[in-house]
Amino acid sequence: NAGVTQTPKFQVLKTGQSMTLQCAQDMNHEYMSWYRQDPGMGLRLIHYSVGAGITDQGEVPNGYNVSRSTTEDFPLRLLSAAPSQTSVYFCASSPPGPSRAFFGQGTRLTVV
Amino acid sequence: GQQVMQIPQYQHVQEGEDFTTYCNSSTTLSNIQWYKQRPGGHPVFLIQLVKSGEVKKQKRLTFQFGEAKKNSSLHITATQTTDVGTYFCAGPGSGGSNYKLTFGKGTLLTVNP
Repeated sequence: NAGVTQTPKFQVLKTGQSMTLQCAQDMNHEYMSWYRQDPGMGLRLIHYSVGAGITDQGEVPNGYNVSRSTTEDFPLRLLSAAPSQTSVYFCASSPPGPSRAFFGQGTRLTVV
Repeated sequence: GQQVMQIPQYQHVQEGEDFTTYCNSSTTLSNIQWYKQRPGGHPVFLIQLVKSGEVKKQKRLTFQFGEAKKNSSLHITATQTTDVGTYFCAGPGSGGSNYKLTFGKGTLLTVNP
């Protein structure tokens, strides 16, 4: 039972490059979310989705795009990487209602 | 928007001492969740509290939800080195669904053996 799988685990980008962080879950959860974690800042919501074809912005969406074409996958795209996007990114999924969130292992991104 | 404040930011204890972290929300919460993140790891769900005044225990961990459902606490009795990590509280977004959690900044617990 894989749960939530994120790839890659580590990535170094140059300023201006684009890339996609992958997230897949095998629990048939409707809800998926992307968070970024910076030292002393906790986890902040970037984008979320309540089902295939439906996405919305969270607290810190600028510089990121998402799409949800299937229930399983929720990729996060960095359009033009900036040093301020150096962070650890976590994908999470959950079933509907007041239930726990399952987090992936995270992607540690450095933008130089 | 909703804010969740957590204190202290850091806590260093000797093994065997107790530890408490506190969480306060700017709004009434339908539920509150607690997560633990080991160094270099990902957040792992510990517990969810739903009822006003609720108290739940998991071995040496005691979780409380305030009567007004705006504050919560996590207390660890007789800490062990395995308790090391960052403890986060999190409140749900609108409607009580947990797809847009608002996290506190966390309390980093270190334990001296």
